[in-house]
Amino acid sequence: TQLLEQSPQFLSIQEGENLTVYCNSSSVFSSLQWYRQEPGEGPVLLVTVVTGGEVKKLKRLTFQFGDARKDSSLHITAAQPGDTGLYLCAGAGRDDKIIFGKGTRLHILP
Amino acid sequence: EAGVTQFPSHSVIEKGQTVTLRCDPISGHDNLYWYRRVMGKEIKFLLHFVKESKQDESGMPNNRFLAERTGGTYSTLKVQPAELEDSGVYFCASSQLRARTGELFFGEGSRLTVL
Repeated sequence: TQLLEQSPQFLSIQEGENLTVYCNSSSVFSSLQWYRQEPGEGPVLLVTVVTGGEVKKLKRLTFQFGDARKDSSLHITAAQPGDTGLYLCAGAGRDDKIIFGKGTRLHILP
Repeated sequence: EAGVTQFPSHSVIEKGQTVTLRCDPISGHDNLYWYRRVMGKEIKFLLHFVKESKQDESGMPNNRFLAERTGGTYSTLKVQPAELEDSGVYFCASSQLRARTGELFFGEGSRLTVL
């Protein structure tokens, strides 16, 4: 059974600080996606990484896919209160099934 | 363009009753997925439609769950009879491309509470 371990589960930091969220698995994924979910809404895709070692940037967010395509990280620089939310990583296998991590609940204090 | 819509947003039923959840995908999206999040756990795959055909239903918990997608448009997920452990948020998602390459667009979810 494929599993995605996401850490930390909860993170509360001050505005302006940097943070990194990790997503790890013993399985290889065809691609890995990061979603953000607001209360009462469904997950919204932030980025998809496909190639081992790939790095993608989205403003202050940097996403990296591990060389072996088993892990990924999300780094936020100078966090802002608007970054508060639930961040989910999700891996796609060759069978097209998406496996989600449990999520990281991020709270940025003003 | 309308996004993925789900109905109802919240349903409270008693154990043993039946509930039907509906999902209207984005127009033109052949791929439709059902997921479920039980409290404290990760979002889990239930099944995948390509048009009206079930591509993969390996995530369906048991035969109390029945999903249909007649005509390849909207989909329904029926739980009959509902049990306490069925409580959770049921998400529907659609995409043009297959999930591993395309973007999944999620609905807001249907929260099911079984008492």
